[in-house]
Amino acid sequence: AQSVSQHNHHVILSEAASLELGCNYSYGGTVNLFWYVQYPGQHLQLLLKYFSGDPLVKGIKGFEAEFIKSKFSFNLRKPSVQWSDTAEYFCAVMGNYGQNFVFGPGTRLSVLP
Amino acid sequence: DAGVTQSPTHLIKTRGQQVTLRCSPKSGHDTVSWYQQALGQGPQFIFQYYEEEERQRGNFPDRFSGHQFPNYSSELNVNALLLGDSALYLCASSRQGRYEQYFGPGTRLTVT
Repeated sequence: AQSVSQHNHHVILSEAASLELGCNYSYGGTVNLFWYVQYPGQHLQLLLKYFSGDPLVKGIKGFEAEFIKSKFSFNLRKPSVQWSDTAEYFCAVMGNYGQNFVFGPGTRLSVLP
Repeated sequence: DAGVTQSPTHLIKTRGQQVTLRCSPKSGHDTVSWYQQALGQGPQFIFQYYEEEERQRGNFPDRFSGHQFPNYSSELNVNALLLGDSALYLCASSRQGRYEQYFGPGTRLTVT
């Protein structure tokens, strides 16, 4: 069965620190990969997506993620976080024909001012 | 351009009752998916509707059913509510063939 794991439950950083959130998936085929963010009191928003091509994808608000097929990973990165990045981050995977959209359990990011 | 809207925002029901949640997709979208998000967890896929038919289903019992209307809006029905059904129910819309989903704010269901 398809599954997604996220390495950290809660990450606490100071402003300007660099961020990397881990995501690993299990799926026996070609996948589409996503990172969603849920700011406090707001709905889920798409940060970035990978369908094919360049494994390094850039999203909104300075976020980027790298797809490493051999490691079944899709880690999220940001060089310098801001207090406004405080949110819950979800990694998600979908099969290549739009099937089986599976979310990871989420990582809560707290950025201290 | 209105995004995905859901109603109601909050709902309190008693165990054994039935509930209906509603979703209007983003303009131009024809596919609606429903998710259950328990506290502290990621969303779990319930089912997806396209052309008024259920196209995919996650690992949820038959107590969870849905409907899609000709205007692409959708309903989620849950019968014989259990305490464990308490969660945030999310609706997401997309265009068929495109895999980016846009989420609504959710309906918070509390079963007492």
